[in-house]
Amino acid sequence: GNSVTQMEGPVTLSEEAFLTINCTYTATGYPSLFWYVQYPGEGLQLLLKATKADDKGSNKGFEATYRKETTSFHLEKGSVQVSDSAVYFCALRARNAGGTSYGKLTFGQGTILTVHP
Amino acid sequence: EPEVTQTPSHQVTQMGQEVILRCVPISNHLYFYWYRQILGQKVEFLVSFYNNEISEKSEIFDDQFSVERPDGSNFTLKIRSTKLEDSAMYFCASGQGTYLQETQYFGPGTRLLVL
Repeated sequence: GNSVTQMEGPVTLSEEAFLTINCTYTATGYPSLFWYVQYPGEGLQLLLKATKADDKGSNKGFEATYRKETTSFHLEKGSVQVSDSAVYFCALRARNAGGTSYGKLTFGQGTILTVHP
Repeated sequence: EPEVTQTPSHQVTQMGQEVILRCVPISNHLYFYWYRQILGQKVEFLVSFYNNEISEKSEIFDDQFSVERPDGSNFTLKIRSTKLEDSAMYFCASGQGTYLQETQYFGPGTRLLVL
């Protein structure tokens, strides 16, 4: 079945440090890939997405590139801020074995990021 | 910007009691979902709903669970007889379609604690 594996957390960084959160996936066919972010006390918000191989999703200084050859979608940011402290979820949407999609997302376990001033 | 809302934000209940979690999806969306996240674990898919029918459900979504869209705006998740292991954060989501690239919009969640 489909699955997503994220790097273990929590991740603690100083402000302006470089961030990488690793994400790899297993899926039927060619999934779409997403990063969602959850700020304290809030719901999941879409951060960025990529829908085909070699696509790069980007938003708010975050980037992730869809790497089909390594089945990865690592999240990066060149200079993190305190306000980036949140939980980050990698997710995919893929067709099931029968070739259909009813829209469900499959999530990784989430990575807690804490950024200190 | 339109958003998905959920009520209540927190609910505490006794084991064996029925609970109903409520969601108001974004108004022009047609596809609705429930997910849950047990503390420290992954966000897990429970059920998807379209055209007043369940379109897909996970193995978690057993006979104790049901969903309903009673009035064209609310989308509810009912747990008939809660168990301790139902304690989790429950997220509602909605979307316009099921194409792989479609964005799904999530509510803030309801934290359910079963004692």
